[in-house]
This record gives sequence, C-alpha cells and structure tokens, in this order.
Amino acid sequence: DADVTQTPRNRITKTGKRIMLECSQTKGHDRMYWYRQDPGLGLRLIYYSFDVKDINKGEISDGYSVSRQAQAKFSLSLESAIPNQTALYFCATSDLGPEGRETQYFGPGTRLLVL
Amino acid sequence: GEDVEQSLFLSVREGDSSVINCTYTDSSSTYLYWYKQEPGAGLQLLTYIFSNMDMKQDQRLTVLLNKKDKHLSLRIADTQTGDSAIYFCAPKGGYSSASKIIFGSGTRLSIRP
Repeated sequence: DADVTQTPRNRITKTGKRIMLECSQTKGHDRMYWYRQDPGLGLRLIYYSFDVKDINKGEISDGYSVSRQAQAKFSLSLESAIPNQTALYFCATSDLGPEGRETQYFGPGTRLLVL
Repeated sequence: GEDVEQSLFLSVREGDSSVINCTYTDSSSTYLYWYKQEPGAGLQLLTYIFSNMDMKQDQRLTVLLNKKDKHLSLRIADTQTGDSAIYFCAPKGGYSSASKIIFGSGTRLSIRP
C-alpha cells in the first residue's frame, strides 16, 4: 500500500463549485503539505501543517482552505473553484531527522480541471 | 525569500552524461535536495547534499555544490531512457524547525536515441 494517498486522482468541476481534495498518510509523520504544480512554475506551496494543531499559509493560499483532521489526514478545499485553479495538486509528508534533515514523501497527485 | 532557478528543458543522447544546473539565493541553505518526477507520478527524493560538502557521489549520480556562487548541479552518468523525468532542485533554508524546502521550476530531461 502507498504511504501517501490522495483522493480523488482526477476531478472535473465547474466554476463556483466547492470541492475537497483529501490526503492520508501511514508514515506517522507530523508534517504535511499541499502544493500545486503548473507547467514551468514548479511546485508552489499552498498550506502546510507541522502538527495537528498547526496550520500555516504558504505562498499561494488565497482561494484555498485546509483542515488537519488527524495526524494522518490533511484535506484541501476550494470554496468556490475558478478556472485558474486548474492544476496538479500534490500532498506531501515529512519528518525532521538529525540536524534538520527533512525528506518529503509525495502522494501521486490529483489532477483538477475547473471549467 | 528563497528563489530557485533551473532551465526548463535538457535533451541528451542516450549514454552521454546529463548535467542539470540550479542556482539559489538563500546562503543559509543547509540541505539541498534533488527530486525526480516520472510521468504521471509524484516526486521522489533522488539525492541530497549537506551544505558543508562540495561533492557527493551516489552510483551514476554526482552532486556538486558551489556555496560561494550558490550553484548546485546534478550529473547523471551514462544517461538511460529510464532517466527521462523532471528533476527539481530543492534547497532548505537554515536549521530552524520552521524552515521550508523551496522547489525550483524543474528541468525536463529527455533522452535521444
């Protein structure tokens, strides 16, 4: 079984709809992240959480919200989807190792199309 | 904040060496990672280098770090078709537990027969 799973894997929605992307992990990590990937722009951080009670905005949080329901679950919501939120969304988890070394483990991605 | 620059595309002939370059701006970067994204998949950690090193070798992979110029490179020897992917440079700034990993735009490596 995959350590980091995302549902759905693909989603088509219409402008103005509310949608939720879900992420679950079995790695036991405290840290979880949501990124979006656009061609030529790399990965941009939307929100991140260092533990269950911690939520932080990333560089492009406008139009998004998150919920950390448990250590293993971190969901991303688009309250009112717009076409420029069409992208590939990745969830990632990590844990801090010795001397601050941090490896991120990524889910397979959710491809979202907003019409 | 940290700015990470990579060229978007690289094409090499099968069997040649590939060199993917990256420049970054945060001189306090501690760990500098290379991630690989194969088609239709998420990113996977390929290798990393700690900031007190200038070279790290791992089988066909060689990472070079020039801290003075804030330049990182990834060399893949004997490039094979399975190396076709997008490669992301990703430095992490500082030792603070709050510091984050910043990803470059990614370099798409394509292999010519």
